Amino acid sequence: QQPVQSPQAVILREGEDAVINCSSSKALYSVHWYRQKHGEAPVFLMILLKGGEQKGHEKISASFNEKKQQSSLYLTASQLSYSGTYFCGTAATGNQFYFGTGTSLTVIP
Amino acid sequence: DTGVSQNPRHKITKRGQNVTFRCDPISEHNRLYWYRQTLGQGPEFLTYFQNEAQLEKSRLLSDRFSAERPKGSFSTLEIQRTEQGDSAMYLCATRGTEAFFGQGTRLTVV
Repeated sequence: QQPVQSPQAVILREGEDAVINCSSSKALYSVHWYRQKHGEAPVFLMILLKGGEQKGHEKISASFNEKKQQSSLYLTASQLSYSGTYFCGTAATGNQFYFGTGTSLTVIP
Repeated sequence: DTGVSQNPRHKITKRGQNVTFRCDPISEHNRLYWYRQTLGQGPEFLTYFQNEAQLEKSRLLSDRFSAERPKGSFSTLEIQRTEQGDSAMYLCATRGTEAFFGQGTRLTVV
């Protein structure tokens, strides 16, 4: 039931863009995105509830294709503070909640 | 501070001992989750409560693990007869629209 993320790891220079994908084998009710820095708990970024919904927060946005059971996280003009591991979290119903395999993002000067 | 509190933050125990962790959720959140996370891996779902009812348990949760949420408020996770493989970070999350995580309890079994 764990969603699969790609890529597993990515290294960017400051100012570059990245896309992280999340794919589930089950029909999804919602998709959440989190960022976790080393030694810290995951921190919520955004939630997408509807098929085809897109959301954005500053230079981080996401899309959710309900039919394809996929979501993508877009990071534009990356900053050093974006470094961390990104997880999608998916709910197949309103209750069950599983985290993806994770994508390690490193932004270098 | 997310409003979700976990205690203790760190626990070192000898193999075979029992340990109990506590999670105090955001008061208005009726959904509470326990996860286990090992280094380099994503959080693995363990169990889920809606109010005081435990609605789902992962197959990862062996019979040595038990969780409770009396009165639908705080929750406890107990591990009996700990094994070295139980060493991990145990995370509690509560959820309204979004999920908020506590800082976790890092368990080391020696």
